[in-house]
Amino acid sequence: AQSVTQLDSQVPVFEEAPVELRCNYSSSVSVYLFWYVQYPNQGLQLLLKYLSGSTLVKGINGFEAEFNKSQTSFHLRKPSVHISDTAEYFCAGPHFNKFYFGSGTKLNVKP
Amino acid sequence: GAGVSQTPSNKVTEKGKYVELRCDPISGHTALYWYRQSLGQGPEFLIYFQGTGAADDSGLPNDRFFAVRPEGSVSTLKIQRTERGDSAVYLCASSPGLAGGGGDEQFFGPGTRLTVL
Repeated sequence: AQSVTQLDSQVPVFEEAPVELRCNYSSSVSVYLFWYVQYPNQGLQLLLKYLSGSTLVKGINGFEAEFNKSQTSFHLRKPSVHISDTAEYFCAGPHFNKFYFGSGTKLNVKP
Repeated sequence: GAGVSQTPSNKVTEKGKYVELRCDPISGHTALYWYRQSLGQGPEFLIYFQGTGAADDSGLPNDRFFAVRPEGSVSTLKIQRTERGDSAVYLCASSPGLAGGGGDEQFFGPGTRLTVL
């Protein structure tokens, strides 16, 4: 069974609009949760991570995510997107040191 | 400093052949991961090394796949008797290995695109 689920394979959005990319995790995944981004023709890089403490996590490039234990979710948000945010975003979480990645969400920011 | 590097960047081989994919992690990183990413999918865990030992190889799909890290730095993923279904991008990542239970950030290489004809 998949341990990390990304509900949207593609999200089109206009520039300067807000966006939310959804991620749900199963109980088999530990409470460490990550969002990685893959820009076109580049490797994956970390956007943000939740390890413990405050459930609202801020990352690079104005992104943030909220850990919600009751809903087993870790949705990624940005209040105003830019063209340069066009990329594929992956949610991930480990079971011990075995990492599970979601299938990815392609964010397409239109002018 | 240098990031994670992988060679070759592209590998085309024929069905049944043997291939080796190399990963050079960031210097000092004790943890090393191999993933396979098929088109339209997220990275799929293959194996995790802590130092020289394979701490978790539960993601290797079958006994045609094997990986080594003899000196605790460079790692090689070996695939015997390649099949067309092995075609994918193979990613390597390293992390400092400081946080237990997978809490470290992973630094990814650019990947090796393997095509089996």
